[in-house]
Amino acid sequence: AQKVTQAQTEISVVEKEDVTLDCVYETRDTTYYLFWYKQPPSGELVFLIRRNSFDEQNEISGRYSWNFQKSTSSFNFTITASQVVDSAVYFCALSDLYKLSFGAGTTVTVRA
Amino acid sequence: DTGVSQNPRHKITKRGQNVTFRCDPISEHNRLYWYRQTLGQGPEFLTYFQNEAQLEKSRLLSDRFSAERPKGSFSTLEIQRTEQGDSAMYLCASSPPTGENTEAFFGQGTRLTVV
Repeated sequence: AQKVTQAQTEISVVEKEDVTLDCVYETRDTTYYLFWYKQPPSGELVFLIRRNSFDEQNEISGRYSWNFQKSTSSFNFTITASQVVDSAVYFCALSDLYKLSFGAGTTVTVRA
Repeated sequence: DTGVSQNPRHKITKRGQNVTFRCDPISEHNRLYWYRQTLGQGPEFLTYFQNEAQLEKSRLLSDRFSAERPKGSFSTLEIQRTEQGDSAMYLCASSPPTGENTEAFFGQGTRLTVV
């Protein structure tokens, strides 16, 4: 069975601060994929990043970066220099072949 | 707009009534998924189609739920004899026919309220 845990329920920051979201996952699969999605108040889930289990290289994409560590089964996500438009619920998700298992989400509020 | 389209956006129904939701995926996507999301939780997988074939159903999908994708294009999700516990956001997603696990593109969902 696959499981994703997002221990942080809510995070509130002031604009321009960095925000790091924690994600811990469990799976017995050797091949899997990890995702971060954003859900703004409009409700639509927006894809942010994807990483497969064979690639632990951490990258930066614009204001987004991630830290994937197989040894600790963690896939943390950072928003640098947060903006008010970043306010949303962020979901970490784990996938084997096709279906996604989501965490409970972390609500991020960025105050001006 | 060529994203995933779901109709209706909102549905209020009385307990015991049947409801049907529609999902139109992105046109070149052959994979289609339904998820259910309750308040304060992440989406939960319900079912998966590859073209017109329903390849997996979650145990969350009781016998009151049925999903179809008759021509491998749009899909419908029907709930019979609705119960208050069915109140949730129902999300549809699609992804393209590639070998690699690509990201799923989600619609805006149908919010169901059973009163």
